[in-house]
Amino acid sequence: ETGVTQTPRHLVMGMTNKKSLKCEQHLGHNAMYWYKQSAKKPLELMFVYNFKEQTENNSVPSRFSPECPNSSHLFLHLHTLQPEDSALYLCASSPGGARGTYEQYFGPGTRLTVT
Amino acid sequence: EDQVTQSPEALRLQEGESSSLNCSYTVSGLRGLFWYRQDPGKGPEFLFTLYSAGEEKEKERLKATLTKKESFLHITAPKPEDSATYLCALRSSDSNYQLIWGAGTKLIIKP
Repeated sequence: ETGVTQTPRHLVMGMTNKKSLKCEQHLGHNAMYWYKQSAKKPLELMFVYNFKEQTENNSVPSRFSPECPNSSHLFLHLHTLQPEDSALYLCASSPGGARGTYEQYFGPGTRLTVT
Repeated sequence: EDQVTQSPEALRLQEGESSSLNCSYTVSGLRGLFWYRQDPGKGPEFLFTLYSAGEEKEKERLKATLTKKESFLHITAPKPEDSATYLCALRSSDSNYQLIWGAGTKLIIKP
């Protein structure tokens, strides 16, 4: 595997389900990110992990819970979601830590549909 | 307030018809401006980083330029495979971690 991988690629869940999204980066980067992408809207940053420490939480509802067990893996735990949470969820990583002006490399995303 | 605006929202060109995409910005201090390409159902793919006014970068048919108020992505003699949404983002000196993203320009190249 190379780059940034995400699983699953597609997920349909009910409002009462609990599921997790997984991201793995094979680039040796030190920062990882979760973004939400909705149609025709700019990417919304959700969480930032810098050297495995959470450094940013952009007022994300508590029904989204991130976990970063090591610098290569990132999870997004989902529970009791709302239909407006349906979107493409993107994971990204960047070298040299999140404070630097480094390009971010993205995974293919998980298309989430909440029914 | 730091802001990024991309125009046009969508652009249809014939194959071989050169054009430019615009990314206008207001920022207290620019640390870097990024261009990405995104294909449908995929994550954004990094293209360029520009750091200061006057800087230019090229890759195949794409050339990115930067002034103090805007950046252009010039596409020369595009091919159908250049069809994608192009995203612009910037890092402000006021932000430790967050990039400010534009909504993107959807480019369609017809054969």
